[in-house]
Amino acid sequence: QKEVEQNSGPLSVPEGAIASLNCTYSDRGSQSFFWYRQYSGKSPELIMFIYSNGDKEDGRFTAQLNKASQYVSLLIRDSQPSDSATYLCAAPNFGNEKLTFGTGTRLTIIP
Amino acid sequence: NAGVTQTPKFQVLKTGQSMTLQCAQDMNHNSMYWYRQDPGMGLRLIYYSASEGTTDKGEVPNGYNVSRLNKREFSLRLESAAPSQTSVYFCASSDRAVYGYTFGSGTRLTVV
Repeated sequence: QKEVEQNSGPLSVPEGAIASLNCTYSDRGSQSFFWYRQYSGKSPELIMFIYSNGDKEDGRFTAQLNKASQYVSLLIRDSQPSDSATYLCAAPNFGNEKLTFGTGTRLTIIP
Repeated sequence: NAGVTQTPKFQVLKTGQSMTLQCAQDMNHNSMYWYRQDPGMGLRLIYYSASEGTTDKGEVPNGYNVSRLNKREFSLRLESAAPSQTSVYFCASSDRAVYGYTFGSGTRLTVV
């Protein structure tokens, strides 16, 4: 099993709808989780991080963490065409020295 | 505030040629990383340096070497480039991985 797995997509969502991106991880010791957004031809950009069980909201973005199920998700409300990108989930390894990334989910917002 | 600076942005090499990718950060971060990104494979760690003076292999180190020149700079060297090394290379830095990374803008390398 890969350390971090994402639903590979691609995912298409109508403008104004909620986009839901999911990620599972195998290391029960992981303490923090990150969502990066990567536009085509650009570098990944950190958009959300979460350390505690439950929800964390930042504007239109909500990260959800369930440590018992080893599951982290990203919800994007009121999706905009500018949200079209690849979203990468990441978690640190046991020693917290490095991040392992999922393969990413390509999201397209349809006007 | 430049963040993480990578050079060059684009490079074409012939098989067997060597080159060094440069990376510098101005955030006083302890840790630096080199990843490669290939379609369908996500970001894969090549080498990392958890602190000045240390380097460690990542998931795909074969064919690469690194040097942590000082706290700011971390270079990646391809001694004898192969077509399989055609990829986009990203440098990143962090105080600690648990705080997340800041990425450079990437180097698009083509080996023919």
